[in-house]
Amino acid sequence: DAKTTQPPSMDCAEGRAANLPCNHSTISGNEYVYWYRQIHSQGPQYIIHGLKNNETNEMASLIITEDRKSSTLILPHATLRDTAVYYCIVPRWSNNDMRFGAGTRLTVKP
Amino acid sequence: GAGVSQSPSNKVTEKGKDVELRCDPISGHTALYWYRQSLGQGLEFLIYFQGNSAPDKSGLPSDRFSAERTGGSVSTLTIQRTQQEDSAVYLCASSSYRGDTEAFFGQGTRLTVV
Repeated sequence: DAKTTQPPSMDCAEGRAANLPCNHSTISGNEYVYWYRQIHSQGPQYIIHGLKNNETNEMASLIITEDRKSSTLILPHATLRDTAVYYCIVPRWSNNDMRFGAGTRLTVKP
Repeated sequence: GAGVSQSPSNKVTEKGKDVELRCDPISGHTALYWYRQSLGQGLEFLIYFQGNSAPDKSGLPSDRFSAERTGGSVSTLTIQRTQQEDSAVYLCASSSYRGDTEAFFGQGTRLTVV
């Protein structure tokens, strides 16, 4: 996989936007950026993915820089239930292999 | 089924015994992944199956670990001569073989070796 770098932890106030950064400077032109999250004791959950353009769904928005070397996951109005570990990964295009890094532990505080 | 199913959900075994963990992927998904997650740690990649291709076993921690996938569907992860350090949650995921589709995870099997 293209190596990704994320901060180990972040805090966010409830109701505010949470902006989680990810660096993926070795990404190839046809590789997607995926975000997953893992809430305590549960299996990881898909959030969003993108190639070049910014993406938005009911859970979050994904902003990808023009050079594609970094991206930001935005949770527009964080709630306590958004407290989780967030993983940014870039599966290898050739075979869709997925390897996870340490992720960012997001804590949403009242 | 609607999602990835793993069984058993919990398994307690004695040190030295063999265990088998099962994963039923989403129907039609050709890619299947196994991960291990020790307490408080991240997801450790174990093995990856893609269709009929030879699996990527590069993440298996020792020769006590093996996995197979029969008929391109159900997968079994086998741990022989279990050790206490094998205690962890074992997660399975599946996806379509396309670079632009997400993976779906099961809820995992919590293995405790006593």
